[in-house]
Amino acid sequence: GENVEQHPSTLSVQEGDSAVIKCTYSDSASNYFPWYKQELGKRPQLIIDIRSNVGEKKDQRIAVTLNKTAKHFSLHITETQPEDSAVYFCAAGNDYKLSFGAGTTVTVRA
Amino acid sequence: EAEVAQSPRYKITEKSQAVAFWCDPISGHATLYWYRQILGQGPELLVQFQDESVVDDSQLPKDRFSAERLKGVDSTLKIQPAELGDSAMYLCASSSTSGGTYEQYFGPGTRLTVT
Repeated sequence: GENVEQHPSTLSVQEGDSAVIKCTYSDSASNYFPWYKQELGKRPQLIIDIRSNVGEKKDQRIAVTLNKTAKHFSLHITETQPEDSAVYFCAAGNDYKLSFGAGTTVTVRA
Repeated sequence: EAEVAQSPRYKITEKSQAVAFWCDPISGHATLYWYRQILGQGPELLVQFQDESVVDDSQLPKDRFSAERLKGVDSTLKIQPAELGDSAMYLCASSSTSGGTYEQYFGPGTRLTVT
């Protein structure tokens, strides 16, 4: 099955700085890579996703890059704000099944 | 905006007791997932339904866990008997198989504590 590793497990950044979270996956058949944000006490919510036919996708301050050859993908958050503090999960799989990373706790310091 | 509903939100039970969780997916979503999320880890798939049929339960501990989705709408996950190691957040998610988007929408989860 698919195995997803996520790093770092915790990340503390100064407000306004950038944050980068990296994930690797094992199954070359995976073609869908979503990122979920889970605020304390709330449900995970999709913030951005990318498919294997695209190398990069951007949505305002967040972007995701995918390197299929190396089997890794990354989440980039620019100009971090206090509301970006949350746990972020990467996932890999297809439209019907996902395997999740262990999560990264991001803390934005004011 | 429609959301996935789950109940109860919190459940405390003693080991060896039975416990059940309920999930109501977004209307029209044919695919329903049950995940277990241990503190500090990502969600782990327990069982996946397509309408009323189980399509993947390879990670479901079938000696104590059962899941059903009798009419292809809402679903129940049961644990009997509960063990200390079952303490976790149980998340339900649903997705549509039409419209070209397969985003999984999560419910708020049920926090289970086994004492």
